[in-house]
Amino acid sequence: DAGVTQSPTHLIKTRGQQVTLRCSPKSGHDTVSWYQQALGQGPQFIFQYYEEEERQRGNFPDRFSGHQFPNYSSELNVNALLLGDSALYLCASSPWGVGREQYFGPGTRLTVT
Amino acid sequence: GDSVTQMEGPVTLSEEAFLTINCTYTATGYPSLFWYVQYPGEGLQLLLKATKADDKGSNKGFEATYRKETTSFHLEKGSVQVSDSAVYFCATDSGAGSYQLTFGKGTKLSVIP
Repeated sequence: DAGVTQSPTHLIKTRGQQVTLRCSPKSGHDTVSWYQQALGQGPQFIFQYYEEEERQRGNFPDRFSGHQFPNYSSELNVNALLLGDSALYLCASSPWGVGREQYFGPGTRLTVT
Repeated sequence: GDSVTQMEGPVTLSEEAFLTINCTYTATGYPSLFWYVQYPGEGLQLLLKATKADDKGSNKGFEATYRKETTSFHLEKGSVQVSDSAVYFCATDSGAGSYQLTFGKGTKLSVIP
């Protein structure tokens, strides 16, 4: 049973560019959440998708957007990249519902130069 | 808003020493509490959880008890091993119908032989 997978593993972009990160949830999970983890910090919640809709959003600007596909996989898009967007981006999946355990992927390391 | 405060690291212990990592939280509603572990170069793994007051979560020799009166969820292990070297994150899901996890900043543990 494959766990949560993310691609790519590493990515280097230039300021002002756009980036798309991808996530496939664990088998049987229908809910995907995205987190940003800056170096030396805990993960911060970006948003969560269920039934192809954004259900909850953290304190992130509109430059951060997402999508969920019918097969439950998800994308995170970041426009107009800033140096401060450099971080590890983590995807987590779970069954829908409050208090359900979230399983994390290995993350995508984004470096903005 | 919701927050999690963890003891500052890094923490360095000798093998077989006793471990305590303090964690306190603020949250509306009745949150579930979690400890996640992040090994070098990897994503987050759920270590243990507790869903209501006085519950004790345990896994791999680690334990934590949900103390509502002190809003705490301290992580303990009686005898650490070198393989326990990692970053440990305390987290809450707020409990007020929220699906997002709020993390502490993490505590880096190094265990030396």
